Amino acid sequence: DIQMTQSPFTLAASVGDRVTITCRASQSIGNSLAWYQQKPGKAPKLLIYSASTLESGVPSRFSGSGSGAEFTLTISSLQPDDLATYHCQQYSGYSPTFGQGTKLEIK
Amino acid sequence: QVQLVQSGAEVRKPGASVKVSCKASGYTFTGHYMHWVRQAPGQGLEWMGWINLYAGGTSLAQKFQGRATLTRDTSMRTAYMELTGLRSDDTAIYYCARDHGNSWPLYFDYWGQGALITVSS
Repeated sequence: DIQMTQSPFTLAASVGDRVTITCRASQSIGNSLAWYQQKPGKAPKLLIYSASTLESGVPSRFSGSGSGAEFTLTISSLQPDDLATYHCQQYSGYSPTFGQGTKLEIK
Repeated sequence: QVQLVQSGAEVRKPGASVKVSCKASGYTFTGHYMHWVRQAPGQGLEWMGWINLYAGGTSLAQKFQGRATLTRDTSMRTAYMELTGLRSDDTAIYYCARDHGNSWPLYFDYWGQGALITVSS
C-alpha cells in the first residue's frame, strides 16, 4: 500500500496567518490526491481533489499544489472557522490511504 | 441534495458482530461506489473497503479481509458494513462515504454522519 505522511502533526497559528500543511507519498501518485477538513465531532468534508481543484463551495483562501510525491495545502489567511484537523488521501493505488492528519489550532 | 444517513451508536462485547447501515438519497444510488472508513478515538482516518453498488463487487483493505463484509440493498438504497470478531481496538466511529465515481476508487465527496461502535466487556 502507498503510505502517506503529513507534517506537522499539530500547528498553531493566528487569524490572518498563511498556513501550509505538507503531505508526502511513499511513491509517485501523479496528482491523485485529495484534502479533507474535519471539524471537531463532525464527518470529514472534501476540500480539494486532483491535488489542486477546489471543491464547489469551498472558500478560495484554500488552495492545493504539488504532484508526484509531495503536496501542500495552503490557507492564505487563516479564519477562526478553520479550526479543524486536515487529512490528505491518495487515490492512485487500488486501496485509498490517508495521512495521519494535521490538527490546526487557532492562537 | 445528497444525503447519507447512518444507523446509530452500538455497544458490543468482544467477539460479537455489528452491522452498520448507510441509507442514501438525492442521487442515483448505483451510480457511485460506496466506501467505509473508520476513525478510532483521537486517531486518523482508516480506509476499510469499497462496494460497487451496481454490481455488488467489493474490495477490502487487507487487515479487514475475513472479518468485514460489505453488502447493499438497491431497493432500499442502503449499504451495509458488517464486522465480526470484534475486539476492543475496533472501537471507533465508522463512516460511509460516497465515491466521486463508479469505475475506480477515487475521492469521497459525501460522508455519512458516522456511527460510534464501542467494544467493551
